[in-house]
Amino acid sequence: GQNIDQPTEMTATEGAIVQINCTYQTSGFNGLFWYQQHAGEAPTFLSYNVLDGLEEKGRFSSFLSRSKGYSYLLLKELQMKDSASYLCAVRANYGGATNKLIFGTGTLLAVQP
Amino acid sequence: GAVVSQHPSWVICKSGTSVKIECRSLDFQATTMFWYRQFPKQSLMLMATSNEGSKATYEQGVEKDKFLINHASLTLSTLTVTSAHPEDSSFYICSARDRGTKNNYGYTFGSGTRLTVV
Repeated sequence: GQNIDQPTEMTATEGAIVQINCTYQTSGFNGLFWYQQHAGEAPTFLSYNVLDGLEEKGRFSSFLSRSKGYSYLLLKELQMKDSASYLCAVRANYGGATNKLIFGTGTLLAVQP
Repeated sequence: GAVVSQHPSWVICKSGTSVKIECRSLDFQATTMFWYRQFPKQSLMLMATSNEGSKATYEQGVEKDKFLINHASLTLSTLTVTSAHPEDSSFYICSARDRGTKNNYGYTFGSGTRLTVV
């Protein structure tokens, strides 16, 4: 089966840095995404990794190690508006379909003043 | 950029009735549509994958006779929740896969439908 794990909740301080980890065990791995989601809204794309290494995009960076089945999302200079759920999602080919996007358990981040 | 229009945004229905949710890709051809369900404080759970003109592929544990998916054209996919019950109350969201990869690496989400069954 597909197994994608994240910490359930995290708390961080405004202006600080926070790292949200994601570990996965999937068949047919074909890339990893990070999304931000506010309650009752659609997920918003943050980053995509398919090769090992770090992808940087402004205040957000994402890292992938395929051999370890591990990724993290790094958020710098935290702002109050960054309080949201962060979802790790793996693109995978299995079960007769290709490029499925399977989401992890999600991490609810609370940014405090 | 790519846009997927999802309707209705919220619906309340009586137990035992059916509800149809539509997702339309407005400016691109959605070769594949993914349907997700999200319960409060949980992540998105993939229910099924549909390709235009063919039968949907359902994830393990999802009843295909209860959640009917139609993907008759490259711009429209529908999910019908048949004989809805209160436990079906959830946030349903679609994600369309673009032929190209320019838009969000090929996945565009609808805005979601909040279904409440009373």
